[in-house]
Amino acid sequence: QKEVEQNSGPLSVPEGAIASLNCTYSDRGSQSFFWYRQYSGKSPELTMFIYSNGDKEDGRFTAQLNKASQYVSLLIRDSQPSDSATYLCAAATGKLIFGQGTTLQVKP
Amino acid sequence: NAGVMQNPRHLVRRRGQEARLRCSPMKGHSHVYWYRQLPEEGLKFMVYLQKENIIDESGMPKERFSAEFPKEGPSILRIQQVVRGDSAAYFCASSPLDDSTGELFFGEGSRLTVL
Repeated sequence: QKEVEQNSGPLSVPEGAIASLNCTYSDRGSQSFFWYRQYSGKSPELTMFIYSNGDKEDGRFTAQLNKASQYVSLLIRDSQPSDSATYLCAAATGKLIFGQGTTLQVKP
Repeated sequence: NAGVMQNPRHLVRRRGQEARLRCSPMKGHSHVYWYRQLPEEGLKFMVYLQKENIIDESGMPKERFSAEFPKEGPSILRIQQVVRGDSAAYFCASSPLDDSTGELFFGEGSRLTVL
């Protein structure tokens, strides 16, 4: 079983819609979780991080964490074409373990 | 304030040659992580180093790969006798914290192509 799992997609949404990206993790000892955005050929950039159960909002982005279900999600409201990228979920277990990434396509 | 600096950005090697990838962490950061990314895949952890110490090398292949972070100078990821399967993007990241519960700042990556 992979430590951090994501659906590779692509996830396609129209401009202005809500994009929902999901991630599960296997290590219950993981304490913090990160969403990185990676444009093709570029380095990962931190988008959101979350430590506590529940929701964390930052502008158009909301991260959700459910430790009982070992589930992390990222919601992007009012999706823009510039949001089109691969989103990498990561869990901290002494080091960051990344999922394989979900490719998001926002169509104008 | 310079970010994480990696060089070379692109490296081409023939099978059997050696590849050396360098990483200078952000100013004030003393923790360095190396990740490998194959096309269309996520980041795979390789090694975590502090100055003069290897903290976690559980992701490093047992042969041909080595990493160091000397007291002075950049961290170096060394791949000996490269094979085509080593072709990938190698990302370095740094952190000011003692463990990885904080944000990692990534360099632009070094893209290795093995002919």
